[in-house]
Amino acid sequence: QVQLQESGPGLLKSSETLSLTCTVFGGSIMSDGYYWSWIRQHPGKGLEWIGYIYNTRIPYYSLSLESRLSISVDTSKNQFSLKLTSVTAADTAVYFCARDRGANEHAFEIWGRGTMVTVSS
Amino acid sequence: QSALTQPASVSGSAGQSITISCTGTSSDVGTYSLVSWYQQHPDKAPKLIIYEDNKRPSGLPSRFSASKSGNTASLTISGLQPEDEADYYCCSYAGPGTSLYVFGTGTTVTVL
Repeated sequence: QVQLQESGPGLLKSSETLSLTCTVFGGSIMSDGYYWSWIRQHPGKGLEWIGYIYNTRIPYYSLSLESRLSISVDTSKNQFSLKLTSVTAADTAVYFCARDRGANEHAFEIWGRGTMVTVSS
Repeated sequence: QSALTQPASVSGSAGQSITISCTGTSSDVGTYSLVSWYQQHPDKAPKLIIYEDNKRPSGLPSRFSASKSGNTASLTISGLQPEDEADYYCCSYAGPGTSLYVFGTGTTVTVL
């Protein structure tokens, strides 16, 4: 049973870089054919897909964030990570990592519990 | 790329059926058979309840069903239970050259 767990700083200041990590338990991030995504939820709001990395090496980013975002994999730690530069208060949100069902079904089957990130000015 | 449109709230009595609509465009919902639905209880992670328009993950109660017509997808909960009170989000794959996945605005379901 694959489980995901996010980790990272809960508080940072405007213009800093947000770094979050998602650790994969009970399975390998190198398993073929899975999309490993980051999704965020602004306080009291809906869900927003941020980006994914596919098969450990192919990233794809939301068009609205691609200039500030990078997603990478550390296979030695069974983790994937998000880096978001030049954060503002608008980046304050709960950040979830998620894995899809595989087989190009494009549905987020496994989720982490989420980590709250607050950007202060 | 705009969010898919859902009603803000839907309510029903225990045992009744409710339906939540999710309206997109011909570029997302209307093109791909890749609408998924998620249930989210307060302060919890979303849970996948429907994928590929109308398929249920194993173990999910059959009272959850879904369909799609044109640019509108729908989720029906039959025999509403108190534990169904939650927020529900639809999501559609939108294809290359877009932000790939667009979520709905979310619907709060209240069990009266």
